[in-house]
Amino acid sequence: NAGVMQNPRHLVRRRGQEARLRCSPMKGHSHVYWYRQLPEEGLKFMVYLQKENIIDESGMPKERFSAEFPKEGPSILRIQQVVRGDSAAYFCASSPRPGLTEAFFGQGTRLTVV
Amino acid sequence: AQSVTQLGSHVSVSEGALVLLRCNYSSSVPPYLFWYVQYPNQGLQLLLKYTTGATLVKGINGFEAEFKKSETSFHLTKPSAHMSDAAEYFCAVSDVTGTASKLTFGTGTRLQVTL
Repeated sequence: NAGVMQNPRHLVRRRGQEARLRCSPMKGHSHVYWYRQLPEEGLKFMVYLQKENIIDESGMPKERFSAEFPKEGPSILRIQQVVRGDSAAYFCASSPRPGLTEAFFGQGTRLTVV
Repeated sequence: AQSVTQLGSHVSVSEGALVLLRCNYSSSVPPYLFWYVQYPNQGLQLLLKYTTGATLVKGINGFEAEFKKSETSFHLTKPSAHMSDAAEYFCAVSDVTGTASKLTFGTGTRLQVTL
């Protein structure tokens, strides 16, 4: 059973471009969570999704950020018109049931905006 | 609202010495508490967690933590540090409603182990 797979591991984008981060949850996990880690900071919650539904997006910036978890395929975190301040590590976690007591984290995608 | 405070952003110990990483939390409801470890350029790995029951929790790699409600603390300890323990450690709290979708993380403690 493979762990939570995130790709790409490293992503470089120029200011104004779009960034797409992918997260494939563990087999049997239908709950996905995205977190952002800014340099020298802890992880901050962004969004919680179940298949085809956004359950809690209270941590998502109001503009330029969106997330989806389609019926088929990985969860996608999309950042439009990236700015330097978006440079961070983005982590995905998945769990088989609601709640994070059984969640596993992926290795993250490190986004650098130049 | 929940919050986590990790005292000491950097801790240095000698190999073989006791490791003590401090974590205090604030929560309006009974908490679930977690410790994660992050090695350089890696994701988070769960070390241990407290949900209910015994307040002394044992985790992987010889780490353990004790939930002390009266002190609102969940300090992480290991009797004897090993070089491979050098990493960043995060304490986190979630509420206990069962459908909690958010972990609130501390800012992390970077552990350095010296010879």
